[in-house]
Amino acid sequence: DAKTTQPTSMDCAEGRAANLPCNHSTISGNEYVYWYRQIHSQGPQYIIHGLKNNETNEMASLIITEDRKSSTLILPHATLRDTAVYYCIVRSRGYSGAGSYQLTFGKGTKLSVIP
Amino acid sequence: NAGVTQTPKFQVLKTGQSMTLQCAQDMNHNSMYWYRQDPGMGLRLIYYSASEGTTDKGEVPNGYNVSRLNKREFSLRLESAAPSQTSVYFCASSGLPDEKLFFGSGTQLSVL
Repeated sequence: DAKTTQPTSMDCAEGRAANLPCNHSTISGNEYVYWYRQIHSQGPQYIIHGLKNNETNEMASLIITEDRKSSTLILPHATLRDTAVYYCIVRSRGYSGAGSYQLTFGKGTKLSVIP
Repeated sequence: NAGVTQTPKFQVLKTGQSMTLQCAQDMNHNSMYWYRQDPGMGLRLIYYSASEGTTDKGEVPNGYNVSRLNKREFSLRLESAAPSQTSVYFCASSGLPDEKLFFGSGTQLSVL
């Protein structure tokens, strides 16, 4: 699986949009981009994923560049409860070699939502 | 539908002791994983099981063994605990079509 690069930390004012970037320049054609977040020391929680089209769900939006080398997670109206560490990972679906399962979570981006 | 259940939630061991961390999922997922997370660090993969009957090493497998008991259960064993294994351990599972990872609530392990 391709590695990802994320900023170490970001601040966002409460009520404003939080835009979290992720670089995945070595992503393969069959790899999806997944975003997770971890609040305090809880288990990480799935947010959203996509292949090449932009995606939106009740939690967030995912914007993937046309060349798929980077993406942005958007929390449209950040609240204090969105303060967490956000992880971006890439993986393929199903079995396509051991790399499909050796999922690497880096240190992620620590998002602090400020009142 | 409980998702991924880990036991115990907390454990204190003395150096050299052994223990098994249990994990079960009720989502009929094929794949299961064990991660560890040290303070201020990301998650590191210890072992994974792509499907029932198979297990493979991840990034940091030394000092651990795993058993995929059946499709639901994936256990992690520390044969001789060391202080370096003090960490929070997370079990996760995933399945088709989305391969979204679902995590348990974690086990906080301290080895003295």
